[in-house]
Amino acid sequence: AQKVTQAQTEISVVEKEDVTLDCVYETRDTTYYLFWYKQPPSGELVFLIRRNSFDEQNEISGRYSWNFQKSTSSFNFTITASQVVDSAVYFCALSERNTGFQKLVFGTGTRLLVSP
Amino acid sequence: GAVVSQHPSRVICKSGTSVKIECRSLDFQATTMFWYRQFPKKSLMLMATSNEGSKATYEQGVEKDKFLINHASLTLSTLTVTSAHPEDSSFYICSAKEDTKETQYFGPGTRLLVL
Repeated sequence: AQKVTQAQTEISVVEKEDVTLDCVYETRDTTYYLFWYKQPPSGELVFLIRRNSFDEQNEISGRYSWNFQKSTSSFNFTITASQVVDSAVYFCALSERNTGFQKLVFGTGTRLLVSP
Repeated sequence: GAVVSQHPSRVICKSGTSVKIECRSLDFQATTMFWYRQFPKKSLMLMATSNEGSKATYEQGVEKDKFLINHASLTLSTLTVTSAHPEDSSFYICSAKEDTKETQYFGPGTRLLVL
């Protein structure tokens, strides 16, 4: 069965620190997508990135970077030089081909608090 | 691009009344829309999946007569909470997906408080 685990419930850092949010997934499907979403205090889920199972290249977008490793079933997210505006809950999610990529399975989220 | 709106953003109602929440995809055609519920400090729980022009598919444990979903057009889905009770108070979020695309885009959510 598919499952997404975000073991870090809450992380507190001081501005300008780097922080890595962990995500470990389980799936029996060979074709799947992994996602990260940000949920600021306002509540809206903001799409950050999508990665398919055949593309293990790491990605960097500004201060954000993602490390996808199939060998460890992990899709970790690093924020470099964190800012107060990064404070939010971050969700990792998985969708599989056997559901037609229709069903998103979410992790429990990691609450990031960045202090000035 | 890929903007999803939800209305209302916040609603307070009396127990026993029905509440309708609208979800619209503003700049794309959403063949599939999803309704989630989120309790405080918890993850999102999928309630149902709706495809345009057909009946919604409800997740196990979600009462379809309680949570009526209509997806009448490619840009609009509605969730009606019928005969709402205090335990229905929650944050409801919709998402929308284009056909052949893999990413769901989420609306801003609706906070429902039933007194």
